[in-house]
Amino acid sequence: DSGVTQTPKHLITATGQRVTLRCSPRSGDLSVYWYQQSLDQGLQFLIHYYNGEERAKGNILERFSAQQFPDLHSELNLSSLELGDSALYFCASSVDDSSYNSPLHFGNGTRLTVT
Amino acid sequence: DAKTTQPNSMESNEEEPVHLPCNHSTISGTDYIHWYRQLPSQGPEYVIHGLTSNVNNRMASLAIAEDRKSSTLILHRATLRDAAVYYCIPKGDFGNEKLTFGTGTRLTIIP
Repeated sequence: DSGVTQTPKHLITATGQRVTLRCSPRSGDLSVYWYQQSLDQGLQFLIHYYNGEERAKGNILERFSAQQFPDLHSELNLSSLELGDSALYFCASSVDDSSYNSPLHFGNGTRLTVT
Repeated sequence: DAKTTQPNSMESNEEEPVHLPCNHSTISGTDYIHWYRQLPSQGPEYVIHGLTSNVNNRMASLAIAEDRKSSTLILHRATLRDAAVYYCIPKGDFGNEKLTFGTGTRLTIIP
């Protein structure tokens, strides 16, 4: 058990809808990272927050947004969903503001299916 | 971050050591070398990381070449639970706060 909690585990929704994925980091971790994993793209970095502030953006679509709250949990909002957004979404946390010399601890993901 | 080359797949017998190679010839002098693995239906799991010296922990050992252009992850006694995709990730400290996962090596353990 990594200590990172992601909810829900599974989500099935229709195209055009909006969903919110939630992540609770390990106790004491200040950084939260979001990754997307689809069959044809592998693990893709989306966004990184440290102590409530956005630190880096990756291949995140404009239809997607995220935030980290004062209690350090994070939410990833996906809107105007398309079939191609079907994927596993992983959250990871770490103590520091960089993955340079700090391990990332991943949750078990939310599997999103858009029909 | 430096690019890596890993075998697409490897097989090993249960209870035998496994050596997973990674080439990272463009690595810079300050890049750490991280290894993660992803078991089926789970999120990636941190295995080990190091800079120059060989590193050991309860999961594995990391052997880093003297010129740092390659490294080897060593599982001392493979179990069925070690079947996973293993990712080798050089990580620089450029303020670009992300780990970039490649395609990794899919390790199959033969009972």
